[in-house]
Amino acid sequence: EPEVTQTPSHQVTQMGQEVILRCVPISNHLYFYWYRQILGQKVEFLVSFYNNEISEKSEIFDDQFSVERPDGSNFTLKIRSTKLEDSAMYFCASRPTVNTEAFFGQGTRLTVV
Amino acid sequence: GDSVTQMEGPVTLSEEAFLTINCTYTATGYPSLFWYVQYPGEGLQLLLKATKADDKGSNKGFEATYRKETTSFHLEKGSVQVSDSAVYFCALMALPGSNYKLTFGKGTLLTVNP
Repeated sequence: EPEVTQTPSHQVTQMGQEVILRCVPISNHLYFYWYRQILGQKVEFLVSFYNNEISEKSEIFDDQFSVERPDGSNFTLKIRSTKLEDSAMYFCASRPTVNTEAFFGQGTRLTVV
Repeated sequence: GDSVTQMEGPVTLSEEAFLTINCTYTATGYPSLFWYVQYPGEGLQLLLKATKADDKGSNKGFEATYRKETTSFHLEKGSVQVSDSAVYFCALMALPGSNYKLTFGKGTLLTVNP
């Protein structure tokens, strides 16, 4: 069964460093999302991406964050100059069309030290 | 804005017990409602959904009914198993104009003991 794949599963980085979280969505999907969950808190929407551009972003998604779909298969989330409060589980999701089920990856646990 | 409020966990039950996890929502328009489940070490999986008032979503013995009058979508299962131990998330997708993003509740950890 097709699935959304995220790498790495766990990343530890020093404060101030840049990290890139990678996602391979399901191949025929058109809508892509990043969510995050800080430990003990809600899963929060970060950004949606369609037709090679950001369609919506939350207040959390400031200039520190960027997304890219560099090669038609990968979908990356870059966090520049990480902060301690960026420590969270980051989930990638994709869907084939609007108003259909979103499929989630297993998540990347980011720990900023 | 849109929001989802879930019953605080953790919830601990014995096998074959009845499960209810409460979920209420606030949204503009006519949202679709979902329950996602996260088993240990895995990603979020759709458990069930309902797209309009009075719809009942069901899967793997779990059920939830979309109640517009009480803005609720409570998850129920008549007889839980150890394998149901997981974190359960209630979520909504508000339409139109939401970019089809999901708004989640905080999640409820369910532990089922043999």
